[in-house]
Amino acid sequence: SQQGEEDPQALSIQEGENATMNCSYKTSINNLQWYRQNSGRGLVHLILIRSNEREKHSGRLRVTLDTSKKSSSLLITASRAADTASYFCATDEGGYNFNKFYFGSGTKLNVKP
Amino acid sequence: NAGVTQTPKFQVLKTGQSMTLQCAQDMNHNSMYWYRQDPGMGLRLIYYSASEGTTDKGEVPNGYNVSRLNKREFSLRLESAAPSQTSVYFCASSDPLPSGNTIYFGEGSWLTVV
Repeated sequence: SQQGEEDPQALSIQEGENATMNCSYKTSINNLQWYRQNSGRGLVHLILIRSNEREKHSGRLRVTLDTSKKSSSLLITASRAADTASYFCATDEGGYNFNKFYFGSGTKLNVKP
Repeated sequence: NAGVTQTPKFQVLKTGQSMTLQCAQDMNHNSMYWYRQDPGMGLRLIYYSASEGTTDKGEVPNGYNVSRLNKREFSLRLESAAPSQTSVYFCASSDPLPSGNTIYFGEGSWLTVV
């Protein structure tokens, strides 16, 4: 399947530090999305990057996409304790399967105050 | 707007019992999804519906059935529940326009099969 893989599985940093997590996928895509999940809650959309884009910013978030390596990274700058959550990437199957999404297993981020 | 609403939030079933998880969205989205999430794991796609009147299998469809009742509603049925179906179930919806295929999730349904 297309399911992405996040790396690392867990990440623990101090408040104020940057957090970088990576996502790799298997087949071509139309777009890649990053989501955040607080414990016991549903997923919340963070940012979407299209296959023809290489970098995108939203507030303290920076996402890059390398379609030749089939990988993406999410950078959270100046992290806060409130950023503690699990982060997932989601990919479609490319082509006309633009609305069939697969998620990776996530990176669990712990930001220590 | 309520977004994506799913019910029930919690359910305990005995092995062999059947139940239906209900989901409704009020964003006029064409596509709807059911995912399951096991402890410490990512989401796995059970079934999805690209548009009203169509459904298709995802990664883990065995033991489940779905119905896209209309554009708003997409239900997931467990015909004969098994302990392996103990999980958190998430309904979601999306549309290419205007949100660019952003996926909106419900708050989850915690299902325990004993």
